Amino acid sequence: GENVEQHPSTLSVQEGDSAVIKCTYSDSASNYFPWYKQELGKRPQLIIDIRSNVGEKKDQRIAVTLNKTAKHFSLHITETQPEDSAVYFCAASGFGNEKLTFGTGTRLTIIP
Amino acid sequence: ETGVTQSPTHLIKTRGQQVTLRCSSQSGHNTVSWYQQALGQGPQFIFQYYREEENGRGNFPPRFSGLQFPNYSSELNVNALELDDSALYLCASSLQGQNIQYFGAGTRLSVL
Repeated sequence: GENVEQHPSTLSVQEGDSAVIKCTYSDSASNYFPWYKQELGKRPQLIIDIRSNVGEKKDQRIAVTLNKTAKHFSLHITETQPEDSAVYFCAASGFGNEKLTFGTGTRLTIIP
Repeated sequence: ETGVTQSPTHLIKTRGQQVTLRCSSQSGHNTVSWYQQALGQGPQFIFQYYREEENGRGNFPPRFSGLQFPNYSSELNVNALELDDSALYLCASSLQGQNIQYFGAGTRLSVL
């Protein structure tokens, strides 16, 4: 089955700087890669996703890149703000198979 | 459009007991997936329901069972509770054939 690894497990950045979180996946059949943000005690919230036919997707300060050959994808947050502090999870799923396999999460702390 | 709702929000049970958790899917969504999130971990897929039938299952024993109703709402039942079942249980709804899943806020189950 699919295995998703996520790094780093914790990340602290100065407010205004950029943050990058990286994930690798094992199943070459996976073709959908969402990123979720989970604040303490709250639901995982979808912040951006990418499909395997696209190499990069951007939404304001957030971007995701995908390298299918290397089987890795990354989340980039620019101009970080205190409200970006949360746990971020990457995930992967296959075509028509909606089961999500999650990474272990990255706790991002933005230092004011 | 209503979001995914789960009940109850918190639950305390003792080992050996049985528990039922409930989930109402987002308006227009016909598929419900259940995940277990242990403290400090990413969500783990339990199973998915579509058209009132189980449509995929993760590595969870048979004492984890579920139902989906004609209105697409769902229940997760866990029998013979064990201490390790203590976790946040999340349900996510989606439209069959579309990968995007939206999560509820979860039920935090504590087994004593």
